[in-house]
Amino acid sequence: EIVLTQSPATLSLSPGESATLSCRASQSVYSYLAWYQQKPGQAPRLLVYHTSSRAPDIPARFSGSGSGTDFTLTISSLEPEDFAIYYCQQRANWPWTFGQGTTVDMK
Amino acid sequence: RLEQSGGGLVQPGGSLRLSCEASGFSLRGFEMNWVRHIPGKGLKWISYIDSTGLTKYYEDSVKGRFTVSRDGAKNSVYLQMTSLRADDTAVYYCARGGLEVALWGQGDLVTVSS
Repeated sequence: EIVLTQSPATLSLSPGESATLSCRASQSVYSYLAWYQQKPGQAPRLLVYHTSSRAPDIPARFSGSGSGTDFTLTISSLEPEDFAIYYCQQRANWPWTFGQGTTVDMK
Repeated sequence: RLEQSGGGLVQPGGSLRLSCEASGFSLRGFEMNWVRHIPGKGLKWISYIDSTGLTKYYEDSVKGRFTVSRDGAKNSVYLQMTSLRADDTAVYYCARGGLEVALWGQGDLVTVSS
């Protein structure tokens, strides 16, 4: 099973600041890496798939990059609604797996 | 959208069938997935079914106990869960898509407890 390790566990930032979230895979997932946002009581929301393709209706401030084993989600200027938990997820090999999550909270 | 139903409280060893019905579009041609969320423990992808229904995957902890299926006439996907255990307690989501899993159901709480 491919293990995804996200860092940091928590990111404390203010609105307007940029956020950089990392995801490292235990083996190559090629470009099969997605990012999700989840808020309490809500379903996950797809932000980015295939490393860098933004999902429909996702604002341009969200961007993904990377390849192989190292990936990054960047939020260029945090809006109040961006404070949430973010998960990376691979679909290179079954079982598809998620990272443990990075919480972006308000400083 | 995807409308989920069938969750609830069940005793250990019991069974439940989760349903996921599409409204406003046809599920035909779409891959479908089941993911569960245990608060504080994160997300786990537990099952996948391709658009034909011929290819199915199960995560190891549910293999042999859970069965995914689809019914084109009812525009629905199902997750039959048997031999339920306390550690199956979670919110279960159905989700549409393969590479781009952008549409999710509202979630269905399954509680396994005596």
